[in-house]
Amino acid sequence: ELKVEQNPLFLSMQEGKNYTIYCNYSTTSDRLYWYRQDPGKSLESLFVLLSNGAVKQEGRLMASLDTKARLSTLHITAAVHDLSATYFCAVVTQGGSEKLVFGKGTKLTVNP
Amino acid sequence: NAGVTQTPKFQVLKTGQSMTLQCAQDMNHEYMSWYRQDPGMGLRLIHYSVGAGITDQGEVPNGYNVSRSTTEDFPLRLLSAAPSQTSVYFCASIGGRIRSGTEAFFGQGTRLTVV
Repeated sequence: ELKVEQNPLFLSMQEGKNYTIYCNYSTTSDRLYWYRQDPGKSLESLFVLLSNGAVKQEGRLMASLDTKARLSTLHITAAVHDLSATYFCAVVTQGGSEKLVFGKGTKLTVNP
Repeated sequence: NAGVTQTPKFQVLKTGQSMTLQCAQDMNHEYMSWYRQDPGMGLRLIHYSVGAGITDQGEVPNGYNVSRSTTEDFPLRLLSAAPSQTSVYFCASIGGRIRSGTEAFFGQGTRLTVV
């Protein structure tokens, strides 16, 4: 059974600082997603990572995937207040059903 | 191209009532699914479908029913609402790895309260 562990669950940062959110998963998968969620809103797609060594960047966020270690990271560079949100990773199960297993989310607060 | 349309946005039910949450996608995606989101739990899979006429249970299926008569629509039925079903529900649609778009699109969510 695929399990996804995300940490930390809560992260309070100062503006301008760097930090990394980790997403570990327990069984083989060929795809991993990162989402952002603002309070009361739906999930906003940030990245889709498809292969080992994949790295994607958008603004102050950079995501990477190591399929051998079953680990993805979401790195935040020089955080700004607008990045405050909850971030989820989700891993696709094998078998062709396109089921997603989510981590519990990381609530990020960026303080001035 | 509307993506995934989910209705209603908000709903209050009394214990024992039934209702249907609607989900429609216009991207011709094969794969659709329903998740519920509870505080501190992330999103958990309720039911999913790999194509019209094919559905299966996810992690937390009890108390819910689904059907997929068309590619576009995937409604979720609450048979007899219970307070434990108070949650935010999201419908998702994925084209699948083989297709050019591997994005997983989510509806806007339904905030359901059962009293």
